[in-house]
Amino acid sequence: DAGVIQSPRHEVTEMGQEVTLRCKPISGHDYLFWYRQTMMRGLELLIYFNNNVPIDDSGMPEDRFSAKMPNASFSTLKIQPSEPRDSAVYFCASIPGELNTGELFFGEGSRLTVL
Amino acid sequence: GQQLNQSPQSMFIQEGEDVSMNCTSSSIFNTWLWYKQDPGEGPVLLIALYKAGELTSNGRLTAQFGITRKDSFLNISASIPSDVGIYFCAGKAPPSGAGSYQLTFGKGTKLSVIP
Repeated sequence: DAGVIQSPRHEVTEMGQEVTLRCKPISGHDYLFWYRQTMMRGLELLIYFNNNVPIDDSGMPEDRFSAKMPNASFSTLKIQPSEPRDSAVYFCASIPGELNTGELFFGEGSRLTVL
Repeated sequence: GQQLNQSPQSMFIQEGEDVSMNCTSSSIFNTWLWYKQDPGEGPVLLIALYKAGELTSNGRLTAQFGITRKDSFLNISASIPSDVGIYFCAGKAPPSGAGSYQLTFGKGTKLSVIP
């Protein structure tokens, strides 16, 4: 079975440009998470959705960040305008419904570099 | 918010040595998870623990859920070069509301194995 699929794997952009990261969760999973990973701060939860509805977006750094989940098989994380401090690896993860084991299934990540 | 202290931050060991790392929390968790992240990949679950005092093995890996529910450790016996990577603990708290999901990650232990 296909795992969590993220795109692009790598993105290099200039400060001020819009960045859109994409995620396709595992089919049948009800929860979708966006994490950011940096050396300094480790894995930080940005936002998560349950049945396409945002449940907690308190980790979103600021208004420049936005996330959507228009349907059960697709989510986007958008940064506009991007800044150098946004450089990080962004992971998407998904899990089944409430009766799950707690295991997050991660994608391979999108490495973002903002110059 | 909940915080996880994971130690050590990094380790350099000789091939064949045993490794031990641990996580402590300021809060009680009902699930402890241990993940491994290979370079350029997303974290992958190694072991999940669901009961206080539980001791679980997965090959050369052994993990325990502390009696107080505020700590966990992971041991790797007879390390090999492919054990290199970053190991993360994660604690899952009871849900605080409908659709909520709270998983807190430690900052990781970077393991290097010298052949």
